[in-house]
Amino acid sequence: ELKVEQNPLFLSMQEGKNYTIYCNYSTTSDRLYWYRQDPGKSLESLFVLLSNGAVKQEGRLMASLDTKARLSTLHITAAVHDLSATYFCAVDMGNFGNEKLTFGTGTRLTIIP
Amino acid sequence: NAGVMQNPRHLVRRRGQEARLRCSPMKGHSHVYWYRQLPEEGLKFMVYLQKENIIDESGMPKERFSAEFPKEGPSILRIQQVVRGDSAAYFCASSPKRRTRDEQYFGPGTRLTVT
Repeated sequence: ELKVEQNPLFLSMQEGKNYTIYCNYSTTSDRLYWYRQDPGKSLESLFVLLSNGAVKQEGRLMASLDTKARLSTLHITAAVHDLSATYFCAVDMGNFGNEKLTFGTGTRLTIIP
Repeated sequence: NAGVMQNPRHLVRRRGQEARLRCSPMKGHSHVYWYRQLPEEGLKFMVYLQKENIIDESGMPKERFSAEFPKEGPSILRIQQVVRGDSAAYFCASSPKRRTRDEQYFGPGTRLTVT
């Protein structure tokens, strides 16, 4: 059974600081997704990482994937208040018939002015 | 191009009633996934459907829950005899085809409250 773990579960950081959210998964996969969710809202797609070594950046967020280590990171640079949200990583097996996403537990990020 | 649509957005049911949740995938998408999010938790996969076929229902509770995706019309997630533990947000996602390297696109969700 595929397991996806994120840490930390809760993160409170000051504006302007940098931090990293980690996503570990238990089974070989080269398809990893990061989503953002605001309270009471749906999921907003942030990044799709489809190969070992993939790195993508959008604004103050950068995501990377190391399939050998089964690890993805979401790095936040110079945090601002509007990045406060819950961030989820999700993995699928990429195999025929196994396209369902397995989500991490989520990281609730709070940016303090 | 309209995104994934779900209705109703909010649904209140008393214990023992039935809940029907609808999902219309994005135009051109023929694969639908249902996920459930309990309060303060991540999303959990429930079922994966193609038109007129259930591909993977490994995440569906064995009783009271069923899903369909008919040839015409939206996908329906049906919960019979709801209990308080069914209160959750139910999200639908769609994708163009199997074995796609495209992501799944999520709808706004239906928030079910059982009183």
